[in-house]
Parts: sequence; structure tokens; C-alpha cells
Amino acid sequence: DQQVKQNSPSLSVQEGRISILNCDYTNSMFDYFLWYKKYPAEGPTFLISISSIKDKNEDGRFTVFLNKSAKHLSLHIVPSQPGDSAVYFCAARGNAGNMLTFGGGTRLMVKP
Amino acid sequence: DAEITQSPRHKITETGRQVTLACHQTWNHNNMFWYRQDLGHGLRLIHYSYGVQDTNKGEVSDGYSVSRSNTEDLPLTLESAASSQTSVYFCASSDGSGYGYTFGSGTRLTVV
Repeated sequence: DQQVKQNSPSLSVQEGRISILNCDYTNSMFDYFLWYKKYPAEGPTFLISISSIKDKNEDGRFTVFLNKSAKHLSLHIVPSQPGDSAVYFCAARGNAGNMLTFGGGTRLMVKP
Repeated sequence: DAEITQSPRHKITETGRQVTLACHQTWNHNNMFWYRQDLGHGLRLIHYSYGVQDTNKGEVSDGYSVSRSNTEDLPLTLESAASSQTSVYFCASSDGSGYGYTFGSGTRLTVV
């Protein structure tokens, strides 16, 4: 039973437009959420995070939104750039220990 | 600079052979993790360790083992390699805060 789901395996957007990546979770005990970015032949790298006590966190072109009632978070990238093309993983931390549970990933392709 | 390194980057082995993948970190992190990445499944936890002499099974631990004799290293052993273990393997470490992992660059293992 996947506790963290990314239902869109891929997403294609035009350069300059907004990219919206979605993530759903089932465990209400998750208290911290993260997004990781992964380029081919590299390990995932941390991108942005949000605590469960907040509903929005912004860092430059990247904004993460959290809707606790819907158990849904999203990553917005504005404006999208070709260098943003990568696989994005959503992850969640349970409040018992620091284990992260990852979603299946979404491959973002930003076309010039 | 602190880092986490995996070796080898690529490995081809035959079915039934024992294989060990190395993971070495200089962050002085207590927590270390092994994941495998497969299309459609994202990152799945194999084994993890919260310190020296501590090891725990993850979601997909069958056929794998780890040992932790020091802080820096968590080698992953495939006791008898199977074709189903063809995958990309990532090692990660964390300081225990749960605020994110640092990943290695991965090992691509092919079992023929």
C-alpha cells in the first residue's frame, strides 16, 4: 500500500510556463514533506520542503503548497526552464523517527 | 568537503553470484539507507541503519543484507543475485533530524 503517490508519471510543459507536480499521501501522521530532483546518472538532490504546520513555502521559482485536509501537496515551478527537466520525487516524514517515504516520481520535460 | 560515494558506478554480474555494493560517507551521519529505483516504483527502501551495529529491514529486503561496522560505511550485499535485482541502487545518509537525506550518485547493477 503506497502511502505517498505521484499519479502522473510524466509531465511536459513549454519553457516559460508553469509546471505543477502533484503528490498525494494517506498517512495523517506525516509531519514534514520534501521534494527531490533527480537528473539522469545522478542521485536525488533536495529541492524544497514544507512542515505540516504551514500551507506554503517558496524558494525562488519553486513553491510547495500543502493541503492537509485533502492530504495533497504540489510543487509549482514558475517560470519553467529546460534545465528543470528531471525526475521529481515527493517524500514524507513520519513523526516517529526520521524515515522518509518516497513517491514513484514524475518525469518533467520542459520544451524550449 | 563532506560527501557520500558509491562504488562501483556500474556492475554486471551473473545470476547466483554474491555481489557487494559499497557506500561510504564522510558526513559523520549516524543514519544510512539503501534504496533501489525501478520504473513505476520510485525509490524503495531495502535496508537502513541508525548507527554502528544497527541494521533494519526495509520494504524490499529479501535477498539483500547489510552490515554496519563503522559510522562511514554501509555495504549492501546481494547473497545470490537474481535478474529481478537488476536496478539502480542509491545509498543515502542523514543526521537524524529527518529534514532530508544526502544521496550518493548510484550504482547501476545488471544481473544476467
